[in-house]
Amino acid sequence: DQQVKQNSPSLSVQEGRISILNCDYTNSMFDYFLWYKKYPAEGPTFLISISSIKDKNEDGRFTVFLNKSAKHLSLHIVPSQPGDSAVYFCAARGSIKAAGNKLTFGGGTRVLVKP
Amino acid sequence: KAGVTQTPRYLIKTRGQQVTLSCSPISGHRSVSWYQQTPGQGLQFLFEYFSETQRNKGNFPGRFSGRQFSNSRSEMNVSTLELGDSALYLCASSSLRNEGYNEQFFGPGTRLTVL
Repeated sequence: DQQVKQNSPSLSVQEGRISILNCDYTNSMFDYFLWYKKYPAEGPTFLISISSIKDKNEDGRFTVFLNKSAKHLSLHIVPSQPGDSAVYFCAARGSIKAAGNKLTFGGGTRVLVKP
Repeated sequence: KAGVTQTPRYLIKTRGQQVTLSCSPISGHRSVSWYQQTPGQGLQFLFEYFSETQRNKGNFPGRFSGRQFSNSRSEMNVSTLELGDSALYLCASSSLRNEGYNEQFFGPGTRLTVL
């Protein structure tokens, strides 16, 4: 049972345009969501996060939107740069008291930014 | 601050052997989690340790075990290796205690190949 899904395995975007990555979840107990960027043979790098009490969080070129009623979140990257080409993972966490720091990951979206 | 470090970075073992991987968290972080990444299953949670106690465990066989030391360094052990254990093993650390929202930072991973 995949509790976190990234339905688009890949995304191609022109440099300078917006990249939009989507993520859906099924577990209503998730209350914290994170996006990570990963290059091959490296560990994931934290990008941005959002708690369930918010619906938007911005950090520079990255903005995460959370729609709790739809159990959907998205990551917007504006403007996209060639260095953004990587695999992006959405992750979700429930209550610390219930499940500790366990993150449940989506399958990832490979982003290619064309110069 | 130094990041999360993992040793060794690469390891080749044969079926039936056992292996121990090591992780040093960011200074001051007391939560250490382990994840397995494979092409077929994606990123999957193995277990989390906080203050030397296992706080949560993923759905992996008992051949996978771990421990955490008083200095927060952690090791994971896989006994009786199988071909399917070939994966990138990632360690993540967090400063989070029992509530709140705080990101996890990942190390570069240990690439284990089982022949």
